[in-house]
Amino acid sequence: AQTVTQSQPEMSVQEAETVTLSCTYDTSENNYYLFWYKQPPSRQMILVIRQEAYKQQNATENRFSVNFQKAAKSFSLKISDSQLGDTAMYFCAFMIPTDSWGKLQFGAGTQVVVTP
Amino acid sequence: GAVVSQHPSWVICKSGTSVKIECRSLDFQATTMFWYRQFPKQSLMLMATSNEGSKATYEQGVEKDKFLINHASLTLSTLTVTSAHPEDSSFYICSASGLYNEQFFGPGTRLTVL
Repeated sequence: AQTVTQSQPEMSVQEAETVTLSCTYDTSENNYYLFWYKQPPSRQMILVIRQEAYKQQNATENRFSVNFQKAAKSFSLKISDSQLGDTAMYFCAFMIPTDSWGKLQFGAGTQVVVTP
Repeated sequence: GAVVSQHPSWVICKSGTSVKIECRSLDFQATTMFWYRQFPKQSLMLMATSNEGSKATYEQGVEKDKFLINHASLTLSTLTVTSAHPEDSSFYICSASGLYNEQFFGPGTRLTVL
């Protein structure tokens, strides 16, 4: 069974600063996807970024980027130039596309608080 | 991007009654939808996987007779909480699979059972 671990329950960052969220996972599979989802106070889940395991290049979406270390089974998210609207719970998620119709395995989440 | 809607956004019901929650993919067809339950400050817990035209697959520990799932079309899945009790009070979220294996989530439904 796959597991996803987010070891930081909460992180605080000042506006315009950078914060990095950690995520590790455990799997014996070689073909999988990794995601970061954001859940703001509205509780709407929003896809932040996705990474295919077969791609060596780290995914980037504007101010969000990941550091994907496949051998170490690590998938951290960096938020640059933090904005107040980035305050949210961030979930790391793992998926095997050929398993169980692609269900997601979520980590426990990291609460990010951006302060003025 | 793909949009998933849920209705209602919140519902309050009396103990013993049944409640139906609808999940719709508005601008794409979803052969697979997922239903989650989320308690405050916790992660999402997958309840079941819903496939169009077939029976849902429930996660271990989820009572399939209590949480009835129907996926009658490529754009609609419903979750019915039967004979609801206060312990069923929670935030229920659905999602639909997109073309590139990402999941798009509905805004959630807050259920309160009195």
